[in-house]
Amino acid sequence: GENVEQHPSTLSVQEGDSAVIKCTYSDSASNYFPWYKQELGKRPQLIIDIRSNVGEKKDQRIAVTLNKTAKHFSLHITETQPEDSAVYFCAARPPRNGGFKTIFGAGTRLFVKA
Amino acid sequence: AAGVIQSPRHLIKEKRETATLKCYPIPRHDTVYWYQQGPGQDPQFLISFYEKMQSDKGSIPDRFSAQQFSDYHSELNMSSLELGDSALYFCASSLFPGDLAPLYNEQFFGPGTRLTVL
Repeated sequence: GENVEQHPSTLSVQEGDSAVIKCTYSDSASNYFPWYKQELGKRPQLIIDIRSNVGEKKDQRIAVTLNKTAKHFSLHITETQPEDSAVYFCAARPPRNGGFKTIFGAGTRLFVKA
Repeated sequence: AAGVIQSPRHLIKEKRETATLKCYPIPRHDTVYWYQQGPGQDPQFLISFYEKMQSDKGSIPDRFSAQQFSDYHSELNMSSLELGDSALYFCASSLFPGDLAPLYNEQFFGPGTRLTVL
């Protein structure tokens, strides 16, 4: 089955700096890669996603890149703000005929210092 | 816009008791997923349903069962509760995760049910 590894587990940056979180996945059949932001005690919120037919996607300060060959995908947050502080999860999902489950990485706790 | 509804939001049970968690998906969503999230951990996929049938199974203990009803709401039944079952239980819903439409894969999470087993 799919296995997702996420690094780093903790990331501390100064406000205004960039933050990068990296994930690798094991199942080459996975074709959908969402990123979730979760604040303490709250639900995971989808912030950006990318499908396997795209190499990069950007939404304002957030961008995601995907390297299918290497089975890597990364989240980039630019001009970080204190409200970006949260736990970020990457995830991978196989195509429909491979099941419905979404496998999450272990999470990255991001601290943005004002 | 309507979101995923979960009830109850908080639940306290004793060991060996049973618990039932309910999930009401976003209107027109036909697929429901259950996740368990322990303190400081990532959400672990338990089980999913599409059109009232189990569509995939993850790390769900045999003591747990779930079903989806004709109105697409789902219930997670937990028996012989153990201390280690204490966690946040999230339900998520989506349209059928086909590969044709970009929006179909997005899962929307409910607010969660916090289960505490004493």
